[in-house]
Amino acid sequence: GESVGLHLPTLSVQEGDNSIINCAYSNSASDYFIWYKQESGKGPQFIIDIRSNMDKRQGQRVTVLLNKTVKHLSLQIAATQPGDSAVYFCAENIGGYQKVTFGIGTKLQVIP
Amino acid sequence: DTAVSQTPKYLVTQMGNDKSIKCEQNLGHDTMYWYKQDSKKFLKIMFSYNNKELIINETVPNRFSPKSPDKAHLNLHINSLELGDSAVYFCASSHGGQREKLFFGSGTQLSVL
Repeated sequence: GESVGLHLPTLSVQEGDNSIINCAYSNSASDYFIWYKQESGKGPQFIIDIRSNMDKRQGQRVTVLLNKTVKHLSLQIAATQPGDSAVYFCAENIGGYQKVTFGIGTKLQVIP
Repeated sequence: DTAVSQTPKYLVTQMGNDKSIKCEQNLGHDTMYWYKQDSKKFLKIMFSYNNKELIINETVPNRFSPKSPDKAHLNLHINSLELGDSAVYFCASSHGGQREKLFFGSGTQLSVL
C-alpha cells in the first residue's frame, strides 16, 4: 500500500498552549493548499486554505503559513482546546485540476 | 439535513464477494469523489466524477467500478473483494470554482475477512 513504512506523526499539546502542525509538500507546481481536520469516526473537514500568491492567512484561532521556497506549510492553532484533538491533513492542488492530494496527516492530542 | 451521506457505515464481508457503497450529496455540487483511507490514515483519491462524467481514475484495480446515475449520486461497486481492500472509503463532493474545498461523508468501514 502507499503508506507502507509510514506511521502517523503525533503531536501532544497542553490545553491552552498553541499548536503548530507542519507539512512538507513535494510538487512545486501546486498553487493551492488546504488544511483538513478529521475527528475520530468522521470524514475530513475543511479548516482553512491558502493560495500560492500568499504566505499567511488567518482564520478563527487558526493561521496557515506557506513557505514556497522550501515547500513547507504549517497550521498554527491558538489556545488549543480538547475539541481540537483530531488528525490534521495538509492537501495540495494544481491549477484547478480536480485532484486534491493529501499528505500523511498529523494526530494532535490535547492534554487537559 | 446531512450534506454528504454514504451507506452503509460498516460493511463486513468475505473474500470474493461483491459489494456496493452508496453516496448521495444534497449540496448541489457538480463533482463527486471516492477516496480510500488505509489503517495509517493515508487518504488517496480513487475516482472523480463531474456532472456524471468520469474525470479522474487513479491506478485502481478494475474490480472497482464507480457509477454516477446523476450528479447527486456516486456509488462504488467492488467485485471479488480481497483482504487488501479493507479500509475506510470516503465519498466527497465539491462545487464549481472551489473544487479544492471538499465536503466528505462520514465514511464506510469495509472489512474483508
